[in-house]
Amino acid sequence: AQRVTQPEKLLSVFKGAPVELKCNYSYSGSPELFWYVQYSRQRLQLLLRHISRESIKGFTADLNKGETSFHLKKPFAQEEDSAMYYCALEGGGNKLTFGTGTQLKVEL
Amino acid sequence: KAGVTQTPRYLIKTRGQQVTLSCSPISGHRSVSWYQQTPGQGLQFLFEYFSETQRNKGNFPGRFSGRQFSNSRSEMNVSTLELGDSALYLCASARGGGLTDTQYFGPGTRLTVL
Repeated sequence: AQRVTQPEKLLSVFKGAPVELKCNYSYSGSPELFWYVQYSRQRLQLLLRHISRESIKGFTADLNKGETSFHLKKPFAQEEDSAMYYCALEGGGNKLTFGTGTQLKVEL
Repeated sequence: KAGVTQTPRYLIKTRGQQVTLSCSPISGHRSVSWYQQTPGQGLQFLFEYFSETQRNKGNFPGRFSGRQFSNSRSEMNVSTLELGDSALYLCASARGGGLTDTQYFGPGTRLTVL
């Protein structure tokens, strides 16, 4: 069975501080991992995916197969980063397994 | 390009009734997935349709069903509603289902069961 764990329900950081949102997964095969974000009153949208190796809005995520983690990082938090972040795993066929989400609050 | 649309946006039903939710994917997208979002269980996968065929199914009872039409629009039906079915139902569309595919989510339908 596939499982995604986001241990923090809420993460509060000051503007300009580094951010790390934790994500651990359990999957027997080779997963594809994603981070989705939901800003206030907006729909859920893709932030980044592992396969693209990209940096979006200053966020990066590295897949660590040994630790089965896919933590989301940003060196300097901005106020507009405040949102709900979901880590998700796809084991095949567009079936996404989501973590419970972490609410990021960036304080001034 | 228009995004994924879902109708209705809000719905109130009573226990025992049935409900049909609709999802119109982005033009050119042939895959439609449905998710249930609740405070307790989070986002859970219901099923996915591609070219009118159910390709994947989550762990939900048979009261939850869906279908996809030739224009890729999809409907989800829940029969014999229970209080626990109160949730935000999201649909997402994608081109075809490869790992490089991006799923685009709709705004959701908020279902309240009284």
